[in-house]
Amino acid sequence: GNSVTQMEGPVTLSEEAFLTINCTYTATGYPSLFWYVQYPGEGLQLLLKATKADDKGSNKGFEATYRKETTSFHLEKGSVQVSDSAVYFCAPSSNSGNTPLVFGKGTRLSVIA
Amino acid sequence: GAVVSQHPSWVICKSGTSVKIECRSLDFQATTMFWYRQFPKQSLMLMATSNEGSKATYEQGVEKDKFLINHASLTLSTLTVTSAHPEDSSFYICSARVGTSGNNEQFFGPGTRLTVL
Repeated sequence: GNSVTQMEGPVTLSEEAFLTINCTYTATGYPSLFWYVQYPGEGLQLLLKATKADDKGSNKGFEATYRKETTSFHLEKGSVQVSDSAVYFCAPSSNSGNTPLVFGKGTRLSVIA
Repeated sequence: GAVVSQHPSWVICKSGTSVKIECRSLDFQATTMFWYRQFPKQSLMLMATSNEGSKATYEQGVEKDKFLINHASLTLSTLTVTSAHPEDSSFYICSARVGTSGNNEQFFGPGTRLTVL
């Protein structure tokens, strides 16, 4: 089955710092790749996605590029804000039937002013 | 569009009682719904997958008689925690998907926090 490895958190950054959260995945075939964000006390929201190799997903200043050769989908943001404090989850989809997203441990980000 | 709601958002109950959590897709028909459980500062653990009109498929280690899942329509799935105990206290999150392709996006509800006293 699919699996994902994310960098261990928590990550603490100062406001306006550059953010990178590494994500590598294992999946069969050609999965879509997703980044979800979970704000405190809430469910998950889709942050961005990429559906094929070399695609770049972007949203709210965050970006991630689908790298099939390195099976990676690292999340980046050039200048983080306090409001970006949350837990971030990377997940590959499965294109082999109606299987759900399976998440890794997530990476907790804290941005301080 | 693509909104998933959960009710209640939080519930406190006494040990031994049963609690029902509703998950609704508000503006789309969800062929498949998933239930996850999340412990504090942990990842989401998949509990079960349910397709409308069919029995749910439970993940290994999840007691089907304790966590009853019903997916009676394309917009509603319910999770009933039967005879709840303090160890069942957790954050339960449902998710819904259109169609049966694993590449289709999953939409998540806001979660239900269950506290069993």
